[in-house]
Amino acid sequence: SQTIHQWPATLVQPVGSPLSLECTVEGTSNPNLYWYRQAAGRGLQLLFYSVGIGQISSEVPQNLSASRPQDRQFILSSKKLLLSDSGFYLCAWSRQDSYEQYFGPGTRLTVT
Amino acid sequence: AQSVTQLGSHVSVSEGALVLLRCNYSSSVPPYLFWYVQYPNQGLQLLLKYTTGATLVKGINGFEAEFKKSETSFHLTKPSAHMSDAAEYFCAVIESGAGSYQLTFGKGTKLSVIP
Repeated sequence: SQTIHQWPATLVQPVGSPLSLECTVEGTSNPNLYWYRQAAGRGLQLLFYSVGIGQISSEVPQNLSASRPQDRQFILSSKKLLLSDSGFYLCAWSRQDSYEQYFGPGTRLTVT
Repeated sequence: AQSVTQLGSHVSVSEGALVLLRCNYSSSVPPYLFWYVQYPNQGLQLLLKYTTGATLVKGINGFEAEFKKSETSFHLTKPSAHMSDAAEYFCAVIESGAGSYQLTFGKGTKLSVIP
């Protein structure tokens, strides 16, 4: 069966510090991968998606970036965090031929 | 472009009462529709989906939803609420055949169940 992992589970970082959140998927190959941000009362906002290694599409201009160095690894990064980057970050995956997305447990980021 | 509207950011029901969470969508092509549930500080879990075929779809935990094209709706229901149903529920849409797999989510409805 497939599983998706995210770490860390929680993170408190000062403004201006760098960020690296990691997501890995097990039990499948060549998945589509997604990063979402969830802010209170605002639903889920798609930040990035990837259909293959090195292929990243950005949905929202911001100071975040994403990379996919391996088939089942998706990384969300920032060089300098802003207060507005606080939120719950969710990674998801789907099969190439399916619309169903499966979500990881999320990372709670607080920027102070 | 597709969009989703969930009426009511917060719904309260008594234990044993009917649960009705509303979702209306906008899509220029036949949509695929989903309901997800999120428990506090957890990821989203797929409850049910509509792609093609039967318009009444059944999901996990006794939930079901009906696709009504004429009303552009996909409301989620459960005949009898349990305390364990307290969570946040998200409706999502994707346009079929668009060559994209990007879900558009509603803002969510938080369900409270009163004992």
